[in-house]
Amino acid sequence: EIVMTQSPATLSVSPGERATLSCRASQSVYSNLAWYQQKPGQAPRLLIYGASTRATGIPARFSGSGSGTEFTLTISSLQSEDFAVYYCQHYNHWPPITFGQGTRLEIK
Amino acid sequence: EVQLVESGGVVVQPGGSLRLSCAASGFTFNDFSMHWVRQPPGKGLEWVSLITWDGGSTYYADSVKGRFTISRDNSKNSLYLQLNSLRTEDTALYYCAKGMVRGAPFDFWGQGTLVTVSS
Repeated sequence: EIVMTQSPATLSVSPGERATLSCRASQSVYSNLAWYQQKPGQAPRLLIYGASTRATGIPARFSGSGSGTEFTLTISSLQSEDFAVYYCQHYNHWPPITFGQGTRLEIK
Repeated sequence: EVQLVESGGVVVQPGGSLRLSCAASGFTFNDFSMHWVRQPPGKGLEWVSLITWDGGSTYYADSVKGRFTISRDNSKNSLYLQLNSLRTEDTALYYCAKGMVRGAPFDFWGQGTLVTVSS
C-alpha cells in the first residue's frame, strides 16, 4: 500500500498571502495525484488531478506541481473561502487508493 | 448537473447489517466506475470500495474486505454498499463518488450518509 504523508498538519496564513501545502508518497505515483478541498459540513471537492491539471471550475489561483513522490499545492493569494482542509490522494497502481491525512489551512 | 444522493445510514448495533444506496443523475451512469469513501467523525478520508462501470470487477479496502459488498444497478442509476458484521470502527459518514474516465480520481461526490455503530 502506498502511504501518503501531508505536511504541515496545520498551516496558518493571512488572507492575500500564498499558501504552500506538501504531499509525499512512499513510492512513486508518477503524476497520478489529486488534491481535494473539504469545508466543514461539506463533501470533498476535486481541485487538481494529474498532479497539475485544475478540475472544472477551479480558480487559477490553485496550482499543483510535482511528480514521482513529491507534490505541492499552491494557493497564490488566499481568499476567505479557501480556508479549509486539503487532502492529497494517489491513484497509481490501485487498489487501494489512499489519501493523505490532510492539511488544515487556517486564518492567521 | 451531476447529482449523487446517498441514503440508508442509521444507528446499528455491533455485528449488525445495513445497506446504503446512492442515486445518481446528470451523467451516463453506466459509463463510469463508482466508489464508496468514508470519513469517521472529525477524521480523514478512507477509500472503501470500487465497482467498475459494468459491475464486472469490485475492489475493497483491507479493513472491510469480506464484510462489505459493493454493487450497482445500471437500469436504476444506483450504487449500493451492503455492510455486514459491523464494528464500532465502521462509524463514519459514507460518501459515494464518481470516478473519472480511468476510474479515478473522483470528480463528483454526494453529501454522505451517516452510519453509527453503537450498542
